[in-house]
Amino acid sequence: EADIYQTPRYLVIGTGKKITLECSQTMGHDKMYWYQQDPGMELHLIHYSYGVNSTEKGDLSSESTVSRIRTEHFPLTLESARPSHTSQYLCASSDPGGNEKLFFGSGTQLSVL
Amino acid sequence: DQQVKQNSPSLSVQEGRISILNCDYTNSMFDYFLWYKKYPAEGPTFLISISSIKDKNEDGRFTVFLNKSAKHLSLHIVPSQPGDSAVYFCAASGWDNDMRFGAGTRLTVKP
Repeated sequence: EADIYQTPRYLVIGTGKKITLECSQTMGHDKMYWYQQDPGMELHLIHYSYGVNSTEKGDLSSESTVSRIRTEHFPLTLESARPSHTSQYLCASSDPGGNEKLFFGSGTQLSVL
Repeated sequence: DQQVKQNSPSLSVQEGRISILNCDYTNSMFDYFLWYKKYPAEGPTFLISISSIKDKNEDGRFTVFLNKSAKHLSLHIVPSQPGDSAVYFCAASGWDNDMRFGAGTRLTVKP
């Protein structure tokens, strides 16, 4: 099993604040992902990375940005949080090769007031 | 455009009985299908998968069935246990390896 960690688990902040959601994995996986999920809805891919210095936007338009300077670390940043950003953010990584099974972190529940 | 659909948002079954969770997809290029289980305040965890070259895969109490002509898959849990109560997500991927998820079905297993 992959070990993948997200911090913080819960975050309540005011509008306009800059925030960074942390994600780290210890299995040396090249591919990493950020998903956004609202209750009763599917997981939407917002960013992914094939490896160091690789970042791509996913299906869902997002005002967030990501970076991948180290294999194990894939932080997500919101420059100016808004109430519409309130959601659960899930980080995942996968083994190389085809048919990649995703390993998820515990998620960050973000509430923007 | 939702390519993976789980049309039942919730399902309630009695302990010991069979739970059947359904999933439909629209993209014929999907060739790998997975089920994930999610408890509240946790991330999804992988449960079972099936490749498009098979029509059935079994792992203990969990069996996934794939009907490619109908673009339909189902997850059977037999016998159901209270600890199985969770949200179950169906997912599919194709040549691009990008995974698409359904909206989930909340399963409640009553003692």
